Formats: sequence, C-alpha cells, structure tokens
Amino acid sequence: AQSVTQLDSQVPVFEEAPVELRCNYSSSVSVYLFWYVQYPNQGLQLLLKYLSGSTLVKGINGFEAEFNKSQTSFHLRKPSVHISDTAEYFCAVMNYGGSQGNLIFGKGTKLSVKP
Amino acid sequence: NAGVMQNPRHLVRRRGQEARLRCSPMKGHSHVYWYRQLPEEGLKFMVYLQKENIIDESGMPKERFSAEFPKEGPSILRIQQVVRGDSAAYFCASSPKPGQGAGYTFGSGTRLTVV
Repeated sequence: AQSVTQLDSQVPVFEEAPVELRCNYSSSVSVYLFWYVQYPNQGLQLLLKYLSGSTLVKGINGFEAEFNKSQTSFHLRKPSVHISDTAEYFCAVMNYGGSQGNLIFGKGTKLSVKP
Repeated sequence: NAGVMQNPRHLVRRRGQEARLRCSPMKGHSHVYWYRQLPEEGLKFMVYLQKENIIDESGMPKERFSAEFPKEGPSILRIQQVVRGDSAAYFCASSPKPGQGAGYTFGSGTRLTVV
C-alpha cells in the first residue's frame, strides 16, 4: 500500500527566508508525485508535479521540488517566501500507469510566514 | 472555461437528515473523484466515477454514503442519516482521463456541518 508522510505539521518562517517542506512516500511501484496548496476555506491548487525526466521540478509561485528516488522523498522548497505563501501544503502520490488514478495525500504542512 | 463547480459551499444538517453534495466537472472532463478532508487531516479518497459508472468506491464508508455521476447533470455525493462524524470538507476533482499523471482540477469544496 502507498503512503505519504509529511514530517512537519507546522512550519513558521520569517518573510524572505528560505523554506523546505518535507515529504517522504512509500510505494512498491513507481509513482507520480504532486504538491498542492490550500488557502483558507478554498480548494486545492496544483503547485507542481513530477511525472518523469528531470528530478528537479519547477512550479508556480517560485516553488520547486526535487524527486529523490533512493530516499523516496519529494521535498518542496522556495528560496524566499512571502506573506502570501501562508497556506497549507499537501504532498500526494499516484500509481504510475495505474488505471484508477486516485491520489494518496499526506496530512499536510501549515506554512506560516511572519513579517 | 469554468473550473470544477461544487455546491453548496456550506451545508448545515441536523443529525438524521440527508446531505446532497453536487459536483460539476470541468468541461471535457469525464472522470470525477470525491475526497473527504477531516479536521487536521489530509484528503482521503472516497470514490472514483465515470459517466454512469462507479469505477472505484474503495474509500466509501459501507453504509449511508452513495455517489452517482449520471449521463446528464452533476455528480452527486449523498449521505443519508448524517451523524456528527460526517462533518468535514468534501472535495471533488475532475480529470480528462484517469491515471498517467493526468491533470486534476479540484473544486472549492463543500463544508458540511452536522449539528
């Protein structure tokens, strides 16, 4: 069975500081990997996804993530955060080539950016 | 091009009543997924539907919950005889095809409160 672990439930940072949100996954098959962002009382918005190819993936709003197969990780990074990045971030996996396609989510990391 | 539309945004039901949540997928998307988000939890897969077919309902509670996606009209998630534990945010996502890393678009969710 697949699972996703987001190691930090809350991450407070100061504005303009760098941030890394950690994500590890467990799966017996190859997977696609995703990061979503959820602003308060809103739905999920796709930040970025890894399907294949380069292990460094760039997304929207200046975020990037690196797929590390040996460590089964897909950590999300941003070199300089803004107040507007305050939100909850979810890492998710999906079976590669599966016909079902449902996403398995981590429990989320709340990023709080302080001035 | 409207995104995934969910209504109502907020729904309050008394214990024992029925809750009906609606999801209209993006134009051209024929695959719909329902997820539930409990407080302080990530999203949990409930059910995957195509038009007139339930493909995977492995995440649905065995009783009181049902889903449909008719040939015409929105997908409906129905919860009969609601209990306090059903209080959660319910999200719908749609995609043009399943798996293969196809892009998912999420709606803004329906927040169900059972009083």
